[in-house]
Amino acid sequence: DVKVTQSSRYLVKRTGEKVFLECVQDMDHENMFWYRQDPGLGLRLIYFSYDVKMKEKGDIPEGYSVSREKKERFSLILESASTNQTSMYLCASRLAAYNEQFFGPGTRLTVL
Amino acid sequence: SQQGEEDPQALSIQEGENATMNCSYKTSINNLQWYRQNSGRGLVHLILIRSNEREKHSGRLRVTLDTSKKSSSLLITASRAADTASYFCTPGGSGAGSYQLTFGKGTKLSVIP
Repeated sequence: DVKVTQSSRYLVKRTGEKVFLECVQDMDHENMFWYRQDPGLGLRLIYFSYDVKMKEKGDIPEGYSVSREKKERFSLILESASTNQTSMYLCASRLAAYNEQFFGPGTRLTVL
Repeated sequence: SQQGEEDPQALSIQEGENATMNCSYKTSINNLQWYRQNSGRGLVHLILIRSNEREKHSGRLRVTLDTSKKSSSLLITASRAADTASYFCTPGGSGAGSYQLTFGKGTKLSVIP
């Protein structure tokens, strides 16, 4: 079974802190994704990566950056956390285009 | 990328009944996928139907796709309390649009024991 793991299930940070959310997949998938999920807004794509060192902006990239130095790891970075970034963050991976996505358990981030 | 629109937004049924939810989208697709999210198992892929397919089955799930109407439906037969979850459809584009899957707000299904 594909396993997508995220570094933390719950995280509490202060405004202005730099925050790293890590995602690791164990199935040699090419594509990886970061979403945030908020009540009433559904899932929104922040960034995705279709290969190592490649990244593309999703629908809401402002305030975020990403890093993919190794195929199995995709990091989401909040350079200076703000309260409006309090959310559930979901990572996903996919073998390649036209395939299903596998999701991690999510990280619930609270920014105080 | 394009977003699917699920309908209805919420659905409440008795255990044993069938549940039908619909999805509409706007532009041509390569495939359409359905996902389920509940508190216990997170977001899980259910089924993928390709644009040249009209119907697909997986256990108690039946998905149809009508590309002329740009719509899909998900039928869950003989529902169980464990089917209580939110269900999302994601239209998959082709070419450059194949990389992104966009999720809408979903259909929230409640199955009452």
